[in-house]
Amino acid sequence: DTAVSQTPKYLVTQMGNDKSIKCEQNLGHDTMYWYKQDSKKFLKIMFSYNNKELIINETVPNRFSPKSPDKAHLNLHINSLELGDSAVYFCASSQSKGSHGNEQFFGPGTRLTVL
Amino acid sequence: QKEVEQDPGPLSVPEGAIVSLNCTYSNSAFQYFMWYRQYSRKGPELLMYTYSSGNKEDGRFTAQVDKSSKYISLFIRDSQPSDSATYLCAMETSYDKVIFGPGTSLSVIP
Repeated sequence: DTAVSQTPKYLVTQMGNDKSIKCEQNLGHDTMYWYKQDSKKFLKIMFSYNNKELIINETVPNRFSPKSPDKAHLNLHINSLELGDSAVYFCASSQSKGSHGNEQFFGPGTRLTVL
Repeated sequence: QKEVEQDPGPLSVPEGAIVSLNCTYSNSAFQYFMWYRQYSRKGPELLMYTYSSGNKEDGRFTAQVDKSSKYISLFIRDSQPSDSATYLCAMETSYDKVIFGPGTSLSVIP
């Protein structure tokens, strides 16, 4: 059974387009995240939701808008795509916010290429 | 100064070698320290985590934290080709915000 799944796996699109990436977790976790991993493998948090409430909102262009319809889903919509948005986007989930090491389970990633 | 620093490598070792991977950090508020392993074209997976200073051992892997020096290490004994991956150190501030290091790419040559 897939714990954290993302669709699509690959996304190739033109500059200026709007696209969405979907994420679902079947682990019963309360917290979900979006990360961006650039070409140098640097993994940087973008957003975090706990029980559908936004709790982390890093310095990300407002062209990026997360949406959590329920605690098992966290989608990422990107408007007016730019070349610099090309990266691998990872969704992750964890049991809850707070202490004790907080293992995050990652999805397989969505490789976005903006032409 | 970046919050978490890590030598990106690449690091190449022969099979059976002991591998030492290290990270330094600047934020003394970090309490939880983790190591994630990421295989090529896959998502990271948690390998080990430790709370505060000290050592933790799990099979061939040992994680070490020295909070006074703001320095953490991961040791891999008897390294195997299947250990070839990128290793990301990660540290938790509060709530769920985890800061990742840039990762060290490791190749274990048979």
